[in-house]
Amino acid sequence: GNSVTQMEGPVTLSEEAFLTINCTYTATGYPSLFWYVQYPGEGLQLLLKATKADDKGSNKGFEATYRKETTSFHLEKGSVQVSDSAVYFCALSDYNTGKLIFGQGTTLQVKP
Amino acid sequence: NAGVTQTPKFQVLKTGQSMTLQCAQDMNHNSMYWYRQDPGMGLRLIYYSASEGTTDKGEVPNGYNVSRLNKREFSLRLESAAPSQTSVYFCASNKGQNQETQYFGPGTRLLVL
Repeated sequence: GNSVTQMEGPVTLSEEAFLTINCTYTATGYPSLFWYVQYPGEGLQLLLKATKADDKGSNKGFEATYRKETTSFHLEKGSVQVSDSAVYFCALSDYNTGKLIFGQGTTLQVKP
Repeated sequence: NAGVTQTPKFQVLKTGQSMTLQCAQDMNHNSMYWYRQDPGMGLRLIYYSASEGTTDKGEVPNGYNVSRLNKREFSLRLESAAPSQTSVYFCASNKGQNQETQYFGPGTRLLVL
């Protein structure tokens, strides 16, 4: 079946450091891929998405590229800020049903 | 637009008690979803409603029931709460087309003693 695997956290970085959070997936068909972010005490917000192979999603300085050959959708940001501290979820949308399947989440803590 | 709203924000129950979690959306979305979030497990789908008048089981439906009251509202009921249902519950909605972005509510934190 479909599944999503994220790197385990927590990830602790200093402000302005480079961020990578790894995400790989297993799926049949051609799912869309998403990164959601959850700030403390809040619900999930869409950060970015990509709907087909080689698409790059980007938002707020974050980027992720849909790599079909490696079944990956790694999240990157060139220079993180304290305000980026949150939990990041990678997810795929099942091609047939539209249901979201989430990874376990990665906690990012950015220190000044 | 309020988006997706959930009530209550926080609830404490004793084992065996019942309660209903409420969710409403004002985006004219067709599909609505209930998830639970547990540490280290991401979000898991409990039930969903593809359109008004339909509901289907997700990954972890046992111990829950749902009602799609109308297009706006989708409630989740715990008939006899158990400590294993201690979790944070999120409601979400989308237009219903495959692979469309889902929009989430702020969550309900439930503690079952």
